[in-house]
Amino acid sequence: DQQVKQNSPSLSVQEGRISILNCDYTNSMFDYFLWYKKYPAEGPTFLISISSIKDKNEDGRFTVFLNKSAKHLSLHIVPSQPGDSAVYFCAAKSPGSGGYQKVTFGTGTKLQVIP
Amino acid sequence: GAVVSQHPSWVICKSGTSVKIECRSLDFQATTMFWYRQFPKQSLMLMATSNEGSKATYEQGVEKDKFLINHASLTLSTLTVTSAHPEDSSFYICSASKTSGWNEKLFFGSGTQLSVL
Repeated sequence: DQQVKQNSPSLSVQEGRISILNCDYTNSMFDYFLWYKKYPAEGPTFLISISSIKDKNEDGRFTVFLNKSAKHLSLHIVPSQPGDSAVYFCAAKSPGSGGYQKVTFGTGTKLQVIP
Repeated sequence: GAVVSQHPSWVICKSGTSVKIECRSLDFQATTMFWYRQFPKQSLMLMATSNEGSKATYEQGVEKDKFLINHASLTLSTLTVTSAHPEDSSFYICSASKTSGWNEKLFFGSGTQLSVL
């Protein structure tokens, strides 16, 4: 049961244009959402996050939008740069066993920014 | 930013041997660390949550006796793959939780590519 879904396995965008990566979730207990960027053979690096009490968070070229009613969030990158080419993971946090937060990851979307 | 060091970055071992992977938070104390496994073209799958000074919490389907986790200090957690078999070949990644006020962030190690012959 994939609770966090990234339905687009890949995305190609021209340099300078906007990249929009989408993520859907099913668990209403998720209260915090994160985006990670991952290069091959490396660990993911944190990009941006958003609490479930907000609908938008912006950090430089990266903006995350959350639509709770639709259980949907998206990451906007504008303008896109070739260095943004990587796999982007959507993640969601929920209370886990023992009182610890549990993070569930989506399957990732591979973004290619074409110069 | 916070740094998490994971060693080794890659390891090749014979079937039946054990492999230990270390995860260290270099500039902060992490009471909670997480271990993930990633198969090619698949998501990061949480294997277990490692809590300093207590037993790790394993996800359903993860064998506790096969994947031994020790979180002996606030900066070090280890994952030991015991009696490794070819099907254990995978990319293992650790992460450490850093809390600042209400904001909790995960910082990831660079991962360990394990190949079991």
